[in-house]
Amino acid sequence: GQQLNQSPQSMFIQEGEDVSMNCTSSSIFNTWLWYKQDPGEGPVLLIALYKAGELTSNGRLTAQFGITRKDSFLNISASIPSDVGIYFCAGLHTGNQFYFGTGTSLTVIP
Amino acid sequence: GAGVSQSPSNKVTEKGKDVELRCDPISGHTALYWYRQSLGQGLEFLIYFQGNSAPDKSGLPSDRFSAERTGGSVSTLTIQRTQQEDSAVYLCASSVSGSNTDTQYFGPGTRLTVL
Repeated sequence: GQQLNQSPQSMFIQEGEDVSMNCTSSSIFNTWLWYKQDPGEGPVLLIALYKAGELTSNGRLTAQFGITRKDSFLNISASIPSDVGIYFCAGLHTGNQFYFGTGTSLTVIP
Repeated sequence: GAGVSQSPSNKVTEKGKDVELRCDPISGHTALYWYRQSLGQGLEFLIYFQGNSAPDKSGLPSDRFSAERTGGSVSTLTIQRTQQEDSAVYLCASSVSGSNTDTQYFGPGTRLTVL
């Protein structure tokens, strides 16, 4: 299937720092999604992007749909301890089959 | 609750046995998805149900895997003759209509361990 390269794999940051992670694909996507997964739970949708170049914010989170439609990034500003978790990107070309990245594990040190 | 529920939360089985995993989607959601999440990996699409349409089974890894959705609500994922490589967390999600703009709401998953 399609491969989404998500980086970095893991991050250890101090509380208050900003975080940036990204996803790249060899294929064009029409939708990009960013999810957060806490231990023992299913992923929860953070931000959805539907148009190339779109920049969307949700509180301290900002995500962009790359202009080439082959990448997306997620920024978290002023990180707090509850931001800890695994962040996944997901892309959709057509149909209903979403392809997920391998995740970025975020640890916030108080 | 109002969310997607899955059972059991954990399942340990012996190699070669069959297992059934259950998903109760959010009431009124017509679209239902099954994913598999192996350790340290992203989610791998398995199967998609939308209303009364034929399911999209393109993600099922082998013919040992099958799924049903009865009455447009509850779904069961069955794995026959389990293998150790089937060990993973199996996640179910539902959405209102299956449109790519609909949010998929995930259940907590079933952690399957095949010994």
